Amino acid sequence: AQKVTQAQTEISVVEKEDVTLDCVYETRDTTYYLFWYKQPPSGELVFLIRRNSFDEQNEISGRYSWNFQKSTSSFNFTITASQVVDSAVYFCALGSNDYKLSFGAGTTVTVRA
Amino acid sequence: NAGVTQTPKFRILKIGQSMTLQCAQDMNHNYMYWYRQDPGMGLKLIYYSVGAGITDKGEVPNGYNVSRSTTEDFPLRLELAAPSQTSVYFCASSLRDINIQYFGAGTRLSVL
Repeated sequence: AQKVTQAQTEISVVEKEDVTLDCVYETRDTTYYLFWYKQPPSGELVFLIRRNSFDEQNEISGRYSWNFQKSTSSFNFTITASQVVDSAVYFCALGSNDYKLSFGAGTTVTVRA
Repeated sequence: NAGVTQTPKFRILKIGQSMTLQCAQDMNHNYMYWYRQDPGMGLKLIYYSVGAGITDKGEVPNGYNVSRSTTEDFPLRLELAAPSQTSVYFCASSLRDINIQYFGAGTRLSVL
């Protein structure tokens, strides 16, 4: 069975602070995919990033960066210099070759001006 | 680009009523999915489809039915609505070989 744990329920920061969201996953598959989705107050789910299990290279895309470590089954996500528009619920998700996703419970990020 | 379109956006049902949540995508995606999201929870998969005429159960299928007669449409049917089905429902789609799921805006359903 696949499982995704987002231990942080809520994070509140002041604008321009960095925010790191934790994600720990469990899977028996050797090939799998990890995702981050954003759900702003308007309610839609927006795809942010995807990594596959063979690519542990960490990257930066604008103010977003992610840290994928297979040794600890973690896929953490960082927002640098947060802005009020980053306020949202962020979901980590795990997928395998059956194309179904397992979602974590989400972390609510509040960025105060 | 329309992407994934869900209708209606909001609906209130009485216990025992039935309804169909509509989902359509215009991206020629093979795979389509229905999820429900309860407050403070992640998304739970209800049903999914890998192509027209093929559907399968997800994690929480009880009380729901689906059909997939075309590539574009994937309606979700609620029979005999119950208060436990009060939730936000999301439809999503993806290409077979690129498993990034793209979501509709959601349908907020209340069963009273």
